[in-house]
Amino acid sequence: GNSVTQMEGPVTLSEEAFLTINCTYTATGYPSLFWYVQYPGEGLQLLLKATKADDKGSNKGFEATYRKETTSFHLEKGSVQVSDSAVYFCALTGTGFQKLVFGTGTRLLVSP
Amino acid sequence: KAGVTQTPRYLIKTRGQQVTLSCSPISGHRSVSWYQQTPGQGLQFLFEYFSETQRNKGNFPGRFSGRQFSNSRSEMNVSTLELGDSALYLCASSESGRAGETQYFGPGTRLLVL
Repeated sequence: GNSVTQMEGPVTLSEEAFLTINCTYTATGYPSLFWYVQYPGEGLQLLLKATKADDKGSNKGFEATYRKETTSFHLEKGSVQVSDSAVYFCALTGTGFQKLVFGTGTRLLVSP
Repeated sequence: KAGVTQTPRYLIKTRGQQVTLSCSPISGHRSVSWYQQTPGQGLQFLFEYFSETQRNKGNFPGRFSGRQFSNSRSEMNVSTLELGDSALYLCASSESGRAGETQYFGPGTRLLVL
């Protein structure tokens, strides 16, 4: 079945550091890929998405590129802020299905 | 537009009881999905409804059920509660439930089973 693997956390960074959170997937066909963020005590918010190979999703300084050859969708940000501290989830939906399959989540802690 | 709303936000129940959670999707959205979030199992898909019909179901026991009304509002029910049902239950809505479509999540209902 479909699955998502993302790096273990927590990831601890200083403000203005560069962020990478790795995400790889296993899926048949052509999945759509997502990054969601969860702040303490809240639900999930869509951060960005890509629906076909080589698409780049971007939002609020975060970027991720859909790489079919490496089955990856790594999240990057050039300069993190304290307010970016949250849990980040990589997810996919398979071909024809709405069901989201999530990775385990990566907690990001940014210190001033 | 108002976002996805879920009620209640918090619930405490005892083993053996049943519980009903409610979800109101974004206006105009016809697909509603439910997810369970626990520290041990992470985020897992429960089921998806579209136009009052269940289209997809995750790997959960029959104690977990749901329904959708003609106004797209949805409820999920858990009968004979077990300690392991303690979780954050998240509802998400999208326009038509097509793959690749963005799902918008509510704040969740946190259920504690004692």
